[in-house]
Amino acid sequence: KAGVTQTPRYLIKTRGQQVTLSCSPISGHRSVSWYQQTPGQGLQFLFEYFSETQRNKGNFPGRFSGRQFSNSRSEMNVSTLELGDSALYLCASTWDGSSYNEQFFGPGTRLTVL
Amino acid sequence: AQSVTQLDSQVPVFEEAPVELRCNYSSSVSVYLFWYVQYPNQGLQLLLKYLSGSTLVKGINGFEAEFNKSQTSFHLRKPSVHISDTAEYFCAVIPEGFQKLVFGTGTRLLVSP
Repeated sequence: KAGVTQTPRYLIKTRGQQVTLSCSPISGHRSVSWYQQTPGQGLQFLFEYFSETQRNKGNFPGRFSGRQFSNSRSEMNVSTLELGDSALYLCASTWDGSSYNEQFFGPGTRLTVL
Repeated sequence: AQSVTQLDSQVPVFEEAPVELRCNYSSSVSVYLFWYVQYPNQGLQLLLKYLSGSTLVKGINGFEAEFNKSQTSFHLRKPSVHISDTAEYFCAVIPEGFQKLVFGTGTRLLVSP
């Protein structure tokens, strides 16, 4: 069974631009969560989607948005990029979104904002 | 709100020595407890989890952790480490009923020969 895939793996953007990151969960998984990892703030929860609906949201500004498609693939969008948005963005999937089920993580997309 | 504290940002040990990585949490609701490992340039991999039942949990790669409710701790241990265990280790909690991992700041385990 293929794991969680994220594209692209690396991305370089300039301030003010927008970016879209993609996450394909493990086949059959319906819940996708997104996390931001930075040296200063560590790992922080962005949002979670289940069956195309956002169920949980972290404390990030509205510039961060996401969506989930009917095949459970998810995209995350960041508009008006700031230098502080440079981070590793991880997505994780689980089959039913239950708290006790393991979240399987992708390798991440490393975003650099210049 | 939930929070996770990993007091040690870095733990250096020699190969074949035992190691303990400390984790304490606070929460006003029931939580599930997890330990994840992150190797360089990779995502996170689950080592073990505590949901209920026996307080001693065994995971992959010879790791184990013990849940202590009175001390709100979930320390990770390995009796004999290998060079390949060098990685960053994250303790995390999920509040029951949510799908939102709250992570500690991580502990970098450095194993030297």
